[in-house]
Amino acid sequence: AIQMTQSPSSLSASVGDRVTITCRASQGIRGDLGWYQQKPGKAPKLLIYAASTLQTGVPSRFSGSGSDTDFTLTISSLQPEDFATYFCLQDFGYPRTFGQGTKVEVK
Amino acid sequence: EAQLVESGGGLVQPGGSLRLSCAASGFIFSNDWMTWIRQAPGKGLEWVANIKQDGSEMHYADSVKGRFTISRDNAKKSLYLDMNSLRVDDTAVYYCVRDSSPPPRLCGSSVCYFDALDLWGQGTIVTVSS
Repeated sequence: AIQMTQSPSSLSASVGDRVTITCRASQGIRGDLGWYQQKPGKAPKLLIYAASTLQTGVPSRFSGSGSDTDFTLTISSLQPEDFATYFCLQDFGYPRTFGQGTKVEVK
Repeated sequence: EAQLVESGGGLVQPGGSLRLSCAASGFIFSNDWMTWIRQAPGKGLEWVANIKQDGSEMHYADSVKGRFTISRDNAKKSLYLDMNSLRVDDTAVYYCVRDSSPPPRLCGSSVCYFDALDLWGQGTIVTVSS
């Protein structure tokens, strides 16, 4: 199975900060990667698919980039509602695999 | 409004069985791949299984292969997960998820297909314990 290594596992940031989260695949996955946001007690929410395509309704401060093995989720200016846990998911091969998650906390 | 509602979770002993159901509404269920994803208490997300629109193709995580079976009934707009030989480490919230499968794109000389898990249920809790 393709392993997805996400970093950091957690980070502390302030409102207005630029935040970057990375995912590295154990093998090339082209651009077959999505990013999801999860708040405590809630189901995850799709932010980005195909590495860089913003899901309808997701604020433009979220962006994704990368291809092959290295991917990045960037929040350009962190908002109060963005404190959450973020996961990447590869959809290049089966079984699909998630990164371990990055918890974005208040500094 | 599109919605997914899971049911069937509960407490079961190790080695036991359980059937999860997911009722879809507000969209054309037969148009989309469907997926089960789970999350153990305090842990990350784990992809469990998915099924093609017509039920002709299924895929499973290695951890559940041979024990779990995903199925669907498009006439009833329902997704199912039959879980057998349950283990303590199957304890989790189980989410029913729609994959809206965006239009494919050209990727060099081939065509790329993408998952977009854009609609999630609220989850149903499965606890495996003696």
